[in-house]
Amino acid sequence: DSGVTQTPKHLITATGQRVTLRCSPRSGDLSVYWYQQSLDQGLQFLIQYYNGEERAKGNILERFSAQQFPDLHSELNLSSLELGDSALYFCASSEGSKGGTDTQYFGPGTRLTVL
Amino acid sequence: LAKTTQPISMDSYEGQEVNITCSHNNIATNDYITWYQQFPSQGPRFIIQGYKTKVTNEVASLFIPADRKSSTLSLPRVSLSDTAVYYCLVVGAIPDQTGANNLFFGTGTRLTVIP
Repeated sequence: DSGVTQTPKHLITATGQRVTLRCSPRSGDLSVYWYQQSLDQGLQFLIQYYNGEERAKGNILERFSAQQFPDLHSELNLSSLELGDSALYFCASSEGSKGGTDTQYFGPGTRLTVL
Repeated sequence: LAKTTQPISMDSYEGQEVNITCSHNNIATNDYITWYQQFPSQGPRFIIQGYKTKVTNEVASLFIPADRKSSTLSLPRVSLSDTAVYYCLVVGAIPDQTGANNLFFGTGTRLTVIP
């Protein structure tokens, strides 16, 4: 158990819909990262937040957005969903004090299925 | 952009030592090499991180030659439970320069341990 929690575990929805994925980091961690993992695409970095502020942006679509709240939990919002958005979405957290060399602790993931 | 190249897959028999090599020709002075392990439908888990020469922990060893353009993850006496995908990342140590490019997981190396 990494200490990172993600809800929901599974999500099934239809094209065109909007969903919100939630992540609670390990106690004391200030950084939160979001990743998307599709079957044929490996693990794609989406976005990172540090203490409420956006720190780094990866391959995140304009239809996707995220935020980190004062209590440090984070939400990833996915809108106008397409079939290709079906994937495992992972959240990770780290202390945030060492930049890129921080060890990231990953949550169990949310499996999104778009029908 | 210090991207990495590693073999797509490897097979090994139980009890053997496994070495997975990662190429990172464009590694920068302040970059570290980090390896993660991922089991199916789980989030990646940190294995080891190093800057140069050799690093060893209870799980693995990491060998980094003087030019740092490659690195080798060594898993001693693998068991069936070591079957997983192994990711090599090159990450920046300076917080302000941490960016999306430093969080490139790629598709990793799929290690299959055979009984």
